[in-house]
Amino acid sequence: LAKTTQPISMDSYEGQEVNITCSHNNIATNDYITWYQQFPSQGPRFIIQGYKTKVTNEVASLFIPADRKSSTLSLPRVSLSDTAVYYCLVGDIGSSNTGKLIFGQGTTLQVKP
Amino acid sequence: SQTIHQWPATLVQPVGSPLSLECTVEGTSNPNLYWYRQAAGRGLQLLFYSVGIGQISSEVPQNLSASRPQDRQFILSSKKLLLSDSGFYLCAWAVGGSDYKLFFGSGTQLSVL
Repeated sequence: LAKTTQPISMDSYEGQEVNITCSHNNIATNDYITWYQQFPSQGPRFIIQGYKTKVTNEVASLFIPADRKSSTLSLPRVSLSDTAVYYCLVGDIGSSNTGKLIFGQGTTLQVKP
Repeated sequence: SQTIHQWPATLVQPVGSPLSLECTVEGTSNPNLYWYRQAAGRGLQLLFYSVGIGQISSEVPQNLSASRPQDRQFILSSKKLLLSDSGFYLCAWAVGGSDYKLFFGSGTQLSVL
């Protein structure tokens, strides 16, 4: 299983772009990279998922280099409500995998006014 | 659409008492099911996962157990709770292959006193 490493915490100010990088050096060929957001006392929720290059949706962008050993979640123009813990999850539950999904320690993002 | 139900939302139990947390999923078939625990201020610890009825994989050898009596039902149990069992318990489900998505329930805050 690919182990992930993220910064423990980050600070930002409202309106800034925030980039959170996750390292996953032993990512497997079939593994997708998924990012989740968690607020206190809530379950994590899906933000974005990608396999390679760049993916963009209405809330974030995900940049994945060609070697796929890292990925960067980009949050444009953050607001106070983006203060949360962000998790990078690397895995695959396809037929060739056991289904095990292990989260890393996550990054606590604090957005200041 | 798919939904996941997890109950109760909060629970206060004395040390040595039994535990039963239930999770059900609607709107999907043969999902992977997961139990995670989150201690205060910590990350998500995988406890158990299941890829099918009666198939349980344990990640943490301790006084907890899990069962999957039906396709979309996942139960977390303990015969005798310990103080260290306190935490936020999250049930989750996933379907799909490599491009799976993991969806979480609302969680149970367990306090063992």
